Amino acid sequence: DIKMTQSPSSLSGSVGDRVTITCQASQDIRYHLNWFQQKPGKAPNLLIYDASNLQTGVPSRFSGSGSGTHFTLTITSLQPEDLATYYCQQYEIPPLTFGGGTRVDLK
Amino acid sequence: EVQLVESGGALVQPGGSLRLSCAASGFSVDDFAMHWVRQAPGRGLEWVTGISWNSGAIGYADSVKGRFSISRDSAKNSLYLQMNSLRPEDTAFYHCGKDRTLYLSSVESWGQGTLVTVSS
Repeated sequence: DIKMTQSPSSLSGSVGDRVTITCQASQDIRYHLNWFQQKPGKAPNLLIYDASNLQTGVPSRFSGSGSGTHFTLTITSLQPEDLATYYCQQYEIPPLTFGGGTRVDLK
Repeated sequence: EVQLVESGGALVQPGGSLRLSCAASGFSVDDFAMHWVRQAPGRGLEWVTGISWNSGAIGYADSVKGRFSISRDSAKNSLYLQMNSLRPEDTAFYHCGKDRTLYLSSVESWGQGTLVTVSS
């Protein structure tokens, strides 16, 4: 199975900060990567698919980049409503696998 | 509007079986790939299984392979997860999800989940 490793596992930011989360795949997954946001007590929400495509309705401050084995999710200006846990997921080869998650909170 | 409503979660003893259902509305389950994803309380997300639009591709997590089975009913526009030989580590909220495409890729719509507790 493909292992997805996210870093950091948690981070604290201030409103307006630029935040970057990284995700590394154990083998080449081309661009077959999703990013999800999950707020406490809620179902996950798809933010980015195909590594860099913004899902409909997602604010433009979210962006994704990368290919192969190294990917990043960037929030250009952190907002209070962005407090959540973020997960990457590969879909190059089943079983689809998630990273361990990155918890984002406010300083 | 796309809606997914899971049901069937319960307290079950180790070794027991359970069948989860997911009623879909706002789209046809035949027109998209569908998934089950679980989350143990306080833990991360784990993809359990998925089925492509024409059932040509079905995948399972290693942790459930041989014990769980995914299926769908077009007439009822529903997705199912048959779970056998349940173990305490299967305890989790189980979410069904609609893919963005015909194939196993990106879950773009999620149900709120149903809780499965495996304990004696």
